[in-house]
Amino acid sequence: GEDVEQSLFLSVREGDSSVINCTYTDSSSTYLYWYKQEPGAGLQLLTYIFSNMDMKQDQRLTVLLNKKDKHLSLRIADTQTGDSAIYFCAESQRNSGYALNFGKGTSLLVTP
Amino acid sequence: DAGVIQSPRHEVTEMGQEVTLRCKPISGHNSLFWYRQTMMRGLELLIYFNNNVPIDDSGMPEDRFSAKMPNASFSTLKIQPSEPRDSAVYFCASSLVRASAGGGTDTQYFGPGTRLTVL
Repeated sequence: GEDVEQSLFLSVREGDSSVINCTYTDSSSTYLYWYKQEPGAGLQLLTYIFSNMDMKQDQRLTVLLNKKDKHLSLRIADTQTGDSAIYFCAESQRNSGYALNFGKGTSLLVTP
Repeated sequence: DAGVIQSPRHEVTEMGQEVTLRCKPISGHNSLFWYRQTMMRGLELLIYFNNNVPIDDSGMPEDRFSAKMPNASFSTLKIQPSEPRDSAVYFCASSLVRASAGGGTDTQYFGPGTRLTVL
């Protein structure tokens, strides 16, 4: 499938904001997602955004979508040590049955 | 709802053996997806079903892999014969895809995964 790119690592101090970035290449993407994976665990859906939206906020999470630049970001406010995990960006589209096309994941480390 | 159920959670087998992974999707969901996660390749789609019919199996690595969905509540992924490079975590996910004119999908829910080790 088309490429979904993320930076591999991010380290932040507890209490700071984290911003995880993602770029994608397929302009047909309909939905864009953020999933969280803790060590040895499955994938937990954090949030998603329709491609016709530019922002979505859900408690400490803010998703920004720049469709022109094909850039998606996830901001976590007041980052806690429990937020340490791998965060996956993914896109889907109708003509592929909404199967998810994932980035390689960003490993977030939150230090006290 | 119990969520997506996968079994076994862990499987260790020897090269050449047959391996069968099982998945029970969320009741009422009409789409089922099999993904594989490895360090080298990340998360990859293997195959997906819609209304129990395989729609796209282009991600299945080779003929050693096969998947079935005999009914709406059960799917299997079989590897025969298994090889060490098949070692990975295999995830099953399900969702409800709306067939209306507007289309769209509810979110995909993932099972806990099966960690496969082929020695």
